[in-house]
Amino acid sequence: GIQVEQSPPDLILQEGANSTLRCNFSDSVNNLQWFHQNPWGQLINLFYIPSGTKQNGRLSATTVATERYSLLYISSSQTTDSGVYFCAVATSGTYKYIFGTGTRLKVLA
Amino acid sequence: GAVVSQHPSWVICKSGTSVKIECRSLDFQATTMFWYRQFPKQSLMLMATSNEGSKATYEQGVEKDKFLINHASLTLSTLTVTSAHPEDSSFYICSAPTSGRVTDTQYFGPGTRLTVL
Repeated sequence: GIQVEQSPPDLILQEGANSTLRCNFSDSVNNLQWFHQNPWGQLINLFYIPSGTKQNGRLSATTVATERYSLLYISSSQTTDSGVYFCAVATSGTYKYIFGTGTRLKVLA
Repeated sequence: GAVVSQHPSWVICKSGTSVKIECRSLDFQATTMFWYRQFPKQSLMLMATSNEGSKATYEQGVEKDKFLINHASLTLSTLTVTSAHPEDSSFYICSAPTSGRVTDTQYFGPGTRLTVL
């Protein structure tokens, strides 16, 4: 089945710093979403981005489907950005999401 | 965005008992819902696809007799963990796409934390 790898696995930032999180996948995908899992476990939708570029405030994402990767950019990080970031992908003709390995982010005040 | 709820938020039970977890789509109808399991500090693993009016389909390695899924209406899917054991302790999360298109955003419930003593 499809493999979804995220890097880096762990990241510690000082408040105000920028970061780039990467999601690599091993096969063609129809769907790709980025999520932030907060300390209580809730998955927050960040982007639905099977291709192209989107921006929402301090966050932006780019997916290059032909090269099988997606990037999540966090600018001017805040302590509330701490948590785990997951990408999830679904292959052709299915809703079934396969989650990536996750990036655990900690932003220090 | 669309809202998916789960009940209960957390549950503690004794080994050998059964526990039922509900997943509801509050403002849309969902013919398909998904159940995931997440162990501490790990990623989410898809367990099964819940189909309204028909049998669920389970991922490889998931015991269908242990994790009973019922999708009785367009807004409700239930996951029953039967004869629970401590190794079933986990965070269970459901999700649903908001339309019949495969290219659509999925929304996730807040999760249910199960602890089996």
